[in-house]
Amino acid sequence: TQLLEQSPQFLSIQEGENLTVYCNSSSVFSSLQWYRQEPGEGPVLLVTVVTGGEVKKLKRLTFQFGDARKDSSLHITAAQPGDTGLYLCAGARYKAAGNKLTFGGGTRVLVKP
Amino acid sequence: GAVVSQHPSRVICKSGTSVKIECRSLDFQATTMFWYRQFPKQSLMLMATSNEGSKATYEQGVEKDKFLINHASLTLSTLTVTSAHPEDSSFYICSATTAGGRNTEAFFGQGTRLTVV
Repeated sequence: TQLLEQSPQFLSIQEGENLTVYCNSSSVFSSLQWYRQEPGEGPVLLVTVVTGGEVKKLKRLTFQFGDARKDSSLHITAAQPGDTGLYLCAGARYKAAGNKLTFGGGTRVLVKP
Repeated sequence: GAVVSQHPSRVICKSGTSVKIECRSLDFQATTMFWYRQFPKQSLMLMATSNEGSKATYEQGVEKDKFLINHASLTLSTLTVTSAHPEDSSFYICSATTAGGRNTEAFFGQGTRLTVV
């Protein structure tokens, strides 16, 4: 059972459309990270959100951390083919053993030109 | 962000042989590194936590005698897949975390594609 549930698992959209990926949990996290991974490569950190209710923007990407620090969302505006990839959320708990992160199941995004 | 280098990126080995994968933190010291396994189109599955100077902590279901982890320095952890079999073929990824507490962030290596023939 995933402690972090990501939805949807797969998303296929046309270039220029918007999309939102959700990351939900019944547990509280100290912080939450979003990563993007391309085939054959390691995940690349996009953003870290720490404060409940926090909103961070990275160009066309908007990340939000829920008020209770149990959930997060990633919204992409006017998606481009370069946004294609596997998006992973990961939560950290303060003083968790070895700073271990809990990963969501991932959302595979395909942006068609 | 911090840089983590993983080597090799691809390896093909014969069944029954052992393969060593290296994970280095290039610009920071990592007291803890993590090893993951990833199956096609799936998320990362944590295999073990590598602690500098002490024994690794393995996740449930991961054979410690098969996946040997050594973390001899603050910048290097190695994963050795012993007596590899075709079912061990997978994408292996390491990560190292910076800071701690609420500012924990993980940086990943490039991954190693292991194919056992």
